[in-house]
This record gives sequence, structure tokens and C-alpha cells, in this order.
Amino acid sequence: ETGVTQTPRHLVMGMTNKKSLKCEQHLGHNAMYWYKQSAKKPLELMFVYNFKEQTENNSVPSRFSPECPNSSHLFLHLHTLQPEDSALYLCASTPGLAGGRAGELFFGEGSRLTVL
Amino acid sequence: AQTVTQSQPEMSVQEAETVTLSCTYDTSESDYYLFWYKQPPSRQMILVIRQEAYKQQNATENRFSVNFQKAAKSFSLKISDSQLGDAAMYFCAYRRTSGAQKLVFGQGTRLTINP
Repeated sequence: ETGVTQTPRHLVMGMTNKKSLKCEQHLGHNAMYWYKQSAKKPLELMFVYNFKEQTENNSVPSRFSPECPNSSHLFLHLHTLQPEDSALYLCASTPGLAGGRAGELFFGEGSRLTVL
Repeated sequence: AQTVTQSQPEMSVQEAETVTLSCTYDTSESDYYLFWYKQPPSRQMILVIRQEAYKQQNATENRFSVNFQKAAKSFSLKISDSQLGDAAMYFCAYRRTSGAQKLVFGQGTRLTINP
């Protein structure tokens, strides 16, 4: 256990559905991240939040909408997704943008998303 | 932009043997961090080992060690006495020490341990 919990673990949705992924960290960290993991591709950074403020949006389509109500919670709202958005979505946290123990990220188990 | 390349999509090793996973990276920075992360099937990605670029000594963590060749921009991971629990995806990652704090990952290497 890394102290980062993601729900749901698995999600199947149609292209017209609206759903959300949730991430919660119990580590007292201030920075949180969304990564997308597709088969045979490097992890892609999507968003970074530091003290609830978005500090990076890596050219992510607007059908992905992040929300960070506080430093412990991070959401990814999904709307009108495409089949190519099917992937494992990983949440991670660090004490601050400087990272913990020289940059280590603490990851959740991921939410496996399938878009039909 | 920094890039990380893992040229071995899959590797396999006999239990108790030694295996080396390769990683190369490209950067113009002189100071940075390099990491190896392990992602077991359906489990969380965890840090295996870390190397700070200014340190010449190769990092070691029990059965895991790295061969850091800064001039060649190479950062390989050696797993000694392989165990069944070592089976996982292994990702090499790079991070600058200043400025943007995001990790750049390689494509990953799937390691299989044969009993």
C-alpha cells in the first residue's frame, strides 16, 4: 500500500456517458497527478495539481476535466469519451512539486477504463 | 525535450538467475534523477531504486543495482537472484532536479520469471 487509493478500479462506459474517477491520498502530500497508461506506450502525464491549483495541463482534450477540491482528493471527470481513451488511469502524489525523497511519486493502483 | 527509451519490451529469466534491463535517456541537463519503478500485475507501481546524476557510485538496494553510465546516458537495472515476485513491468524514468518536476517514463519492460 502506498497510501494512494483510486476508485473505481474498473469502469466501462459508453461514449455518451458521464463518469468520474476518484483519487484520495492519505500521505499529507500537496501535489497530485493524473497519468494515462496505454498498452505499449510510455506513461503520459495529463494534469498536475499543487495545493489545489492546476500547474500543468499536458494538452489533454477537454472531454477530460480534472477537479482538485483539496490537497487530498483529485477527480477526473469523463464526458463523451472515445474508444481510444480506453486505458489505465493512474493517480500519483508527492509532498510538493519538488517531490518526496528526491522526486519519488507515490502511485495508486489505477482505474481501468474501457470506452465502448 | 527529455526522452527515455527502453529497448526491451519483454525479458525472461530463470528463477535465481541474474537479469539486466536496459534504459537510455536523452537530456541536456547535467543534474537530474533516474528511477526504476516496478508495476506488478494489477498492483501499484512502486519505486525500486533511484540514482542521482551527480553521484558516481551506482545505487544498490538489496538484490537490485544499477549501472549508471552518465556519458553514455545509460541506466540499466540488474536484478540478482531473481524471484517469482520480481515478475512485473519495469519502467525507467527521468526527472530534472529543477524547474518542471514531472517524471518522464520509458515504454516499460515486461519481466517474466521462469520457475
